[in-house]
Amino acid sequence: QKEVEQNSGPLSVPEGAIASLNCTYSDRGSQSFFWYRQYSGKSPELIMFIYSNGDKEDGRFTAQLNKASQYVSLLIRDSQPSDSATYLCAALSGSARQLTFGSGTQLTVLP
Amino acid sequence: GAVVSQHPSWVICKSGTSVKIECRSLDFQATTMFWYRQFPKQSLMLMATSNEGSKATYEQGVEKDKFLINHASLTLSTLTVTSAHPEDSSFYICSKLGAGANSYNEQFFGPGTRLTVL
Repeated sequence: QKEVEQNSGPLSVPEGAIASLNCTYSDRGSQSFFWYRQYSGKSPELIMFIYSNGDKEDGRFTAQLNKASQYVSLLIRDSQPSDSATYLCAALSGSARQLTFGSGTQLTVLP
Repeated sequence: GAVVSQHPSWVICKSGTSVKIECRSLDFQATTMFWYRQFPKQSLMLMATSNEGSKATYEQGVEKDKFLINHASLTLSTLTVTSAHPEDSSFYICSKLGAGANSYNEQFFGPGTRLTVL
């Protein structure tokens, strides 16, 4: 059973702070990992993906992957109220190119 | 990112009726599309993988006779919820894979269809 675990939160941070979102996965064969943001009532939108150990930065977002620990994280720097949403972690594994999603972490950035 | 549309964006129907949801790839052909269902406060659950020109692959526990998937062209996949009941009320979202040499199998989602069965 492939599983992706996330702390459901809610996580609250003040505006301008760093928000740290964490995710673990069970399938060591997972190849790539994705972070999606989902606003209430909307569909998920891709923030970024990572497939190599280490850090990957894109603007205010940094994804971190540690395959030995089966751990993925997303850091949001200079958090803004508009970042308030549910963040979904997903892992890709298998030839079917299917994603397994975590349950999501609800983030609230307080003005 | 890739562009995916869904129609309708919301639908309300009576119990026992069938509802068809369309998912279109607007910018490039999509041989593979995915259908998800999301209940309130829950994550996305994959229902099936839709393959152009062949039968869809359904996830365990998803009734293929109830959720009919047709992927007749490279830009359109449809999901028909047959004999809908109130427990089928949910947010249905389709997605497609990214394309090109820089793609790492990321998925791009349509805007979703909110189904309410009375």
